[in-house]
Amino acid sequence: NAGVTQTPKFRVLKTGQSMTLLCAQDMNHEYMYWYRQDPGMGLRLIHYSVGEGTTAKGEVPDGYNVSRLKKQNFLLGLESAAPSQTSVYFCASRRGDSGQETQYFGPGTRLLVL
Amino acid sequence: AQSVTQLDSQVPVFEEAPVELRCNYSSSVSVYLFWYVQYPNQGLQLLLKYLSGSTLVESINGFEAEFNKSQTSFHLRKPSVHISDTAEYFCAVSGMDSSYKLIFGSGTRLLVRP
Repeated sequence: NAGVTQTPKFRVLKTGQSMTLLCAQDMNHEYMYWYRQDPGMGLRLIHYSVGEGTTAKGEVPDGYNVSRLKKQNFLLGLESAAPSQTSVYFCASRRGDSGQETQYFGPGTRLLVL
Repeated sequence: AQSVTQLDSQVPVFEEAPVELRCNYSSSVSVYLFWYVQYPNQGLQLLLKYLSGSTLVESINGFEAEFNKSQTSFHLRKPSVHISDTAEYFCAVSGMDSSYKLIFGSGTRLLVRP
């Protein structure tokens, strides 16, 4: 199993450009999450999904959109990138049943917005 | 709503010395508690977790944490650290609602010196 994978690993954008980050998991997990990591602030939840076709807002959703058309994929979109969105983005997934609270993280995508 | 405080942003320690990384949380409801570790340029990995039962939980590589409900703490300890323990450590809490969202602390960088 590859676990949780993220593409791309690194990207540079100009202000106003758009892009999509892809998260894929091969563990048949129900729940998927997108976080951003900034120095001194830990990880903050952007959006999450509790199942195929569902999405919900997290702590810092502004400027981002998500889609979960397939169970194994969770896409994070930036419609008009801003320098404040320079960050490292992590995707995570977990099983849906109670007692399986562990989230499994991908390796991250480093995004620089100029 | 929950929050997590990790007061120490960096903890330098000599190899084979004991270490304690502090974590305090705030919540009006019962929570699950986690410690995740992040090695340089990698994603997060679960170190240990408290869901219920014994308040002392251990990891396979010698770390332990104790849930103290009265002090709302979940400090991480290791009696003798190794160079390879150098990493950033994140404490996190999760409510028991259906989303199982993680709220992270700001992280503590453990720097083990020879």
